[in-house]
Amino acid sequence: EPEVTQTPSHQVTQMGQEVILRCVPISNHLYFYWYRQILGQKVEFLVSFYNNEISEKSEIFDDQFSVERPDGSNFTLKIRSTKLEDSAMYFCASKGDRWTGELFFGEGSRLTVL
Amino acid sequence: KQEVTQIPAALSVPEGENLVLNCSFTDSAIYNLQWFRQDPGKGLTSLLLIQSSQREQTSGRLNASLDKSSGRSTLYIAASQPGDSATYLCAPLTQGGSEKLVFGKGTKLTVNP
Repeated sequence: EPEVTQTPSHQVTQMGQEVILRCVPISNHLYFYWYRQILGQKVEFLVSFYNNEISEKSEIFDDQFSVERPDGSNFTLKIRSTKLEDSAMYFCASKGDRWTGELFFGEGSRLTVL
Repeated sequence: KQEVTQIPAALSVPEGENLVLNCSFTDSAIYNLQWFRQDPGKGLTSLLLIQSSQREQTSGRLNASLDKSSGRSTLYIAASQPGDSATYLCAPLTQGGSEKLVFGKGTKLTVNP
């Protein structure tokens, strides 16, 4: 069964360092997303991406964050200068249809900022 | 602004019991609602997607119902098993141009052998 894959599963970084989280969405999907979940809190939306551009972003997704689809399969989330409060589980997700499609999530990348 | 509430927050049942998890949402103008399960430290696994035009959706021992006008959805789990232990999340996709799913805090289910 097709699945969304994410790497790394866990990354530890120092405050102020850049981090790139990688995702391979399901191959025939067109809509890509990043969500995050701070420990013990709700899953929250960060950004949506379609046709090589951001279609929507939340207030959390400030100038420190960026997304890119560098090739036909990968979808990345970059945090330019990490802060302690960026520590969270980051989930990539994809779907085939924007409004009626089922959203499939990856296993997540746990980011720990020290 | 869409808000999602899930009741109960936690539920502990003996194996074999049938159970109902509740989800309510404040904005009934939705495209669909999705139910997920999340195991500790893991990703979200999609269980069921129910479109706004549907009243019910079934997959194996799971049945989700949707009452859009009252802003409610229920997830019914039949003959629960220890492997069903997880946190269950519901998330509506709201009309109005936003693509984001809004999640509740979830119901943490424990099924005891």
